Amino acid sequence: KAGVTQTPRYLIKTRGQQVTLSCSPISGHRSVSWYQQTPGQGLQFLFEYFSETQRNKGNFPGRFSGRQFSNSRSEMNVSTLELGDSALYLCASSLAPSGGAETGELFFGEGSRLTVL
Amino acid sequence: ELKVEQNPLFLSMQEGKNYTIYCNYSTTSDRLYWYRQDPGKSLESLFVLLSNGAVKQEGRLMASLDTKARLSTLHITAAVHDLSATYFCAVVGGTGSNYQLIWGAGTKLIIKP
Repeated sequence: KAGVTQTPRYLIKTRGQQVTLSCSPISGHRSVSWYQQTPGQGLQFLFEYFSETQRNKGNFPGRFSGRQFSNSRSEMNVSTLELGDSALYLCASSLAPSGGAETGELFFGEGSRLTVL
Repeated sequence: ELKVEQNPLFLSMQEGKNYTIYCNYSTTSDRLYWYRQDPGKSLESLFVLLSNGAVKQEGRLMASLDTKARLSTLHITAAVHDLSATYFCAVVGGTGSNYQLIWGAGTKLIIKP
């Protein structure tokens, strides 16, 4: 059974540019969550999608957006990149959304490491 | 606002020793997760604890949950070098349909041979 796949794994951008990251969840998983991980702030929740609907959103500016497609694949976009956006962006999939009746166990991808110069 | 605190944040220990990582959270929650992260790698699920008194064990790791004390522990028995990693706990928090996982800062564990 294939795991969570994130692309690209590494990318370098300059300030002001935008970036799109992709996540393919485990087959059968309908919930996809995105996290930003930095040494200073740790793991921070970005947003969660379930059945193409954004269920929750973390405390990030509007430059951070996402979407989910009918096949449960998800993308996140960051516009007008800032130096502070440099981070490891992790995608996680689960059978059910957080807080649901299922255990909500998350399965993470390898992440996309973004460097903003 | 739900907060999750782990301690210690850094732990260096010798192989063969026992130690415990603590995870405290500030409001009620019905589930708690432990994850492991190796340097430069993603997060690997270790345990899902769903009820008060839940105890789970896998190899040299054992996790427990006390929902009344809002405390979970991750106990390492007879540590080996391969257990060197950063360990995170996370708790589900929120109301209505607005749930999310709130993460501890992580405990970096270094086990010296």
